[in-house]
Amino acid sequence: DAGITQSPRYKITETGRQVTLMCHQTWSHSYMFWYRQDLGHGLRLIYYSAAADITDKGEVPDGYVVSRSKTENFPLTLESATRSQTSVYFCASSPTGDTNEKLFFGSGTQLSVL
Amino acid sequence: QKEVEQDPGPLSVPEGAIVSLNCTYSNSAFQYFMWYRQYSRKGPELLMYTYSSGNKEDGRFTAQVDKSSKYISLFIRDSQPSDSATYLCAMRGGSYIPTFGRGTSLIVHP
Repeated sequence: DAGITQSPRYKITETGRQVTLMCHQTWSHSYMFWYRQDLGHGLRLIYYSAAADITDKGEVPDGYVVSRSKTENFPLTLESATRSQTSVYFCASSPTGDTNEKLFFGSGTQLSVL
Repeated sequence: QKEVEQDPGPLSVPEGAIVSLNCTYSNSAFQYFMWYRQYSRKGPELLMYTYSSGNKEDGRFTAQVDKSSKYISLFIRDSQPSDSATYLCAMRGGSYIPTFGRGTSLIVHP
């Protein structure tokens, strides 16, 4: 039972570089989410997806791009990384999106932009 | 003002203490209330889920919702060092997207 996996676990990059964070889930959950977690801000939603080829912006989408060509994958791309994007990024999934359902989170990717 | 307010702590208690963690919120449309627990370097995991007002108990954990005051609580009885973690409240209205609090860091020392 692999669940939801994120890669890489840690990433160091430089300002201006493009970075892609990967998220893969084995449950065929319809809904997937990307959050960033920062001290003082908690979890903030970047993008979410209700199904393959359907994505929408969350609270803090600027500077990020997502795609979802397959149900199980939901990569997050930083087109031109900035220092303010240094954070811990969590991917999550949910089976059907019913309001009584929980989110299943990955273990996170710690990203440092130098 | 954020929709969900949660004191980040840290909250430090001795083993065996009763812990009270709280969140306040401003959106009266919220009906589903959750507590997630997050250990260091891990993703959050759902701990408790409550619909509307009232109490829900699960072992040493009790979740309480007071919609009239827009206030939710999580109580931990007989706290253990293994309870040391960050506790995030989360809530939903009609949308499937939850709004999270900032999380409270709890330290239970032996």
